[in-house]
Amino acid sequence: DQQVKQNSPSLSVQEGRISILNCDYTNSMFDYFLWYKKYPAEGPTFLISISSIKDKNEDGRFTVFLNKSAKHLSLHIVPSQPGDSAVYFCAAGAGANNLFFGTGTRLTVIP
Amino acid sequence: DGGITQSPKYLFRKEGQNVTLSCEQNLNHDAMYWYRQDPGQGLRLIYYSQIVNDFQKGDIAEGYSVSREKKESFPLTVTSAQKNPTAFYLCASSSTGTVEDTQYFGPGTRLTVL
Repeated sequence: DQQVKQNSPSLSVQEGRISILNCDYTNSMFDYFLWYKKYPAEGPTFLISISSIKDKNEDGRFTVFLNKSAKHLSLHIVPSQPGDSAVYFCAAGAGANNLFFGTGTRLTVIP
Repeated sequence: DGGITQSPKYLFRKEGQNVTLSCEQNLNHDAMYWYRQDPGQGLRLIYYSQIVNDFQKGDIAEGYSVSREKKESFPLTVTSAQKNPTAFYLCASSSTGTVEDTQYFGPGTRLTVL
């Protein structure tokens, strides 16, 4: 049973526009959420995270929004750049327990 | 140069053979993990270890075995009992093993069983 879901397998965006990647989770015990970015044939790299005590966290062009009541988080990238083209995984967990990863969304930024 | 190394990058094995994937880290991290990635699926946890000489099963441990004799090393053996071993395998480590600790991933090993 997938506890973290990314329902859009792919997304294409023009360079300079906003990219919005979405993620839903089912476990209300999750209190920490992360986004990882993955290029082909490489391991994922950490991008940004958010604790459940916040509803927004920003780092440069990347902002993560958390809506706990809807069990939904989103990653906004603005402005999008061709180098952002990658697969983005969201992940969620709680305390000393393990992370659960979504299935990923492939973002393509068109120059 | 701190990081996680996995070797080899590509591995081919005949059906029925056991194979061991290497994972080494020099980040002085206590926790190490093995994940499997299949097309269209997220990363699924195979095994994890939060301290030397101790490890726990993840969601899909059947057909796999691990050891953690040294802090920096966490090899994964894919046994002949694993029904569908062809996949991309990722090793990761984190400082203490809580979800707030960033997991750092190696470059992965793509295993193909012929």
